[in-house]
Amino acid sequence: DAKTTQPPSMDCAEGRAANLPCNHSTISGNEYVYWYRQIHSQGPQYIIHGLKNNETNEMASLIITEDRKSSTLILPHATLRDTAVYYCIVGGGFKTIFGAGTRLFVKA
Amino acid sequence: GAGVSQTPSNKVTEKGKYVELRCDPISGHTALYWYRQSLGQGPEFLIYFQGTGAADDSGLPNDRFFAVRPEGSVSTLKIQRTERGDSAVYLCASSLGTSGGNTQYFGPGTRLTVL
Repeated sequence: DAKTTQPPSMDCAEGRAANLPCNHSTISGNEYVYWYRQIHSQGPQYIIHGLKNNETNEMASLIITEDRKSSTLILPHATLRDTAVYYCIVGGGFKTIFGAGTRLFVKA
Repeated sequence: GAGVSQTPSNKVTEKGKYVELRCDPISGHTALYWYRQSLGQGPEFLIYFQGTGAADDSGLPNDRFFAVRPEGSVSTLKIQRTERGDSAVYLCASSLGTSGGNTQYFGPGTRLTVL
């Protein structure tokens, strides 16, 4: 079973920040938080990952709460091309369990 | 550089037939993963390899499914006596193979249709 909980869908206006939440209350100390996204008919694409500290790259920012039980993926200026299913995954090894993800709709 | 490639992109077969799906990982990646994805669902873990050996095959649904990676690079997922329920997109991913921050890079998938 997936170790994360995400809302099934969210809407965001184009140009605005998209904030996607994820709960992972059973995360253990050595497990990372990963975010991937999947655009229709493509394989999942890595976005970002983190352990304890907040992380930022050219695609997104990852905010992890101090107790590590939840995190938020932030797309600072969402575009129509960001419409996709976003998966939050926790793990530290290799067997990766995906949940159903959040379907983000970016609207013009 | 080249990403993960999978062939064929589409495969249509008849119930009861045997199929092979191929995955070419990113050069230098020691870990390789197979997933299956049904419509509207997230990818479902099947098996992963570390080098040539299957380190965890707990996701293979039954003994009709088998995967190999004989030289630690290319992998083949083999399905015997296919059933209509095997229809799905089969995804392959690879990673550097280190524990902890282990980012997986996915291929485009093979869409298998069993008639």
